[in-house]
Amino acid sequence: QKEVEQDPGPLSVPEGAIVSLNCTYSNSAFQYFMWYRQYSRKGPELLMYTYSSGNKEDGRFTAQVDKSSKYISLFIRDSQPSDSATYLCAMSETGGFKTIFGAGTRLFVKA
Amino acid sequence: DSGVTQTPKHLITATGQRVTLRCSPRSGDLSVYWYQQSLDQGLQFLIQYYNGEERAKGNILERFSAQQFPDLHSELNLSSLELGDSALYFCASSVDSGHHFGNGTRLTVT
Repeated sequence: QKEVEQDPGPLSVPEGAIVSLNCTYSNSAFQYFMWYRQYSRKGPELLMYTYSSGNKEDGRFTAQVDKSSKYISLFIRDSQPSDSATYLCAMSETGGFKTIFGAGTRLFVKA
Repeated sequence: DSGVTQTPKHLITATGQRVTLRCSPRSGDLSVYWYQQSLDQGLQFLIQYYNGEERAKGNILERFSAQQFPDLHSELNLSSLELGDSALYFCASSVDSGHHFGNGTRLTVT
């Protein structure tokens, strides 16, 4: 079993839809949770960074962490074609010495 | 722009050869991470350096080595290259847990 599980998709939605991306994990020591967006031929770009449980909102993006269920989510409101990319979840233990990435979910937002 | 610079962008070489990939971290970032990304394996952590010292090792092959220099730039050396080493190699730097990635070096081994 992988430490971090993420459905690779692809996920296809119409423009304006609410997108829900999810990851599950098995290591209860993870304390830092991140979401990255990666466009084709580019490096991953840090979108959201949260510590421990709870919600964090930044514009159209909301990250949720449920440590009791070992489950994290990224919601994208009013999705745009420019949101079409691969989204990777990532997490690390206290101190962040080693970050584990999910496989990434490919998202397509159709105009 | 993440502030992390990787060179070269593309590299084509033959099996058995040796290459060096270079990374300049964001100004002020002491940690440098190297990752390999291939279609079937996703983003795999190779190695981390912090202020010149090796901090953590992941799935890095013995044929691969890295170092971080006093000016904090880092190099990843890949030797005795095999076809399966063809991949994107990313460098990232950070102050805390959030990584800032370069745009990678695409290595093709023929």
